[in-house]
Amino acid sequence: DIQMTQSPSTLSASVGDRVTITCRASQSISTWLAWYQQKPGKAPNLLIYKASSLESGVPSRFSGSGSGTEFTLTISSLQPDDFATYYCQQYNSYYSFGQGTKLEIK
Amino acid sequence: EVQLVESGGGLVQPGGSLSLSCAASGFAFSTFSMIWVRQAPGKGLEWISYISTRSSPIYYAGSVKGRFSISRDDAKNSLYLQMNSLRDEDTAVYYCARVGQRLDVDYWGQGTLVTVSS
Repeated sequence: DIQMTQSPSTLSASVGDRVTITCRASQSISTWLAWYQQKPGKAPNLLIYKASSLESGVPSRFSGSGSGTEFTLTISSLQPDDFATYYCQQYNSYYSFGQGTKLEIK
Repeated sequence: EVQLVESGGGLVQPGGSLSLSCAASGFAFSTFSMIWVRQAPGKGLEWISYISTRSSPIYYAGSVKGRFSISRDDAKNSLYLQMNSLRDEDTAVYYCARVGQRLDVDYWGQGTLVTVSS
C-alpha cells in the first residue's frame, strides 16, 4: 500500500500570507495526486488534480506542484474562506490520503 | 448538475449489519467508476472500496475486506455498500464519490453517519 505523509499537521497563518503544504508518497506515484479542501461537516472539495492542474472554478491562488514522491500545495495569498483542512490523495494504486493539514487563523 | 446522495446510515450494534445506498444523478452513472470513503469522527479520510463500470474490477481496503461488499445497479443509478460484522472502529461518516474521466475523484456526496455502539 502507498502511504501518504503530509506536513505540517497544523499551520497557523494570517490573511494575505503565502502558505505551502507538503505531501510525500512512500513510493513513486508519477503525478497521480490530488488535493482537497474540507470544511467542518462538509464533503471534501477537489482543488488540484494530476499534481498541478487546477480544477474548474477553483481560485487561481491555489497551485500544486511535484512529481514522483514529493508534492506541494501553495496558496499564494490566504483569504478568510481558505481556513480549512487540506488533504492530499494518491490515485496511482488504489487510493490513499494524507492525514490532513489544518490551516488555522493566527 | 452532478449529485450524489447517500442514505442508510444509523446506529447499529457491534457485530451487526447495515446497508448504505448512494443515489446518483446529473451524469451517465453507468460510465463512471465509483468509490466509498469514510471519515471517523475528528479523523482523516480513508478509502474503503472501488467498483469499476460493469462492476468489474472491485477492490477493498484491508480494513474492510471480507466484511463489506460494494455493488451497483446502473438501471437505478445507484451505488451500494453492504456492511457486515460491524465493529466500533467502523463508526464514521461514509461518503460515496465519483471517479472522473481524468481518474481523479471529482464529486462527493454529503455523507451518511454510521455509528457502531452497544
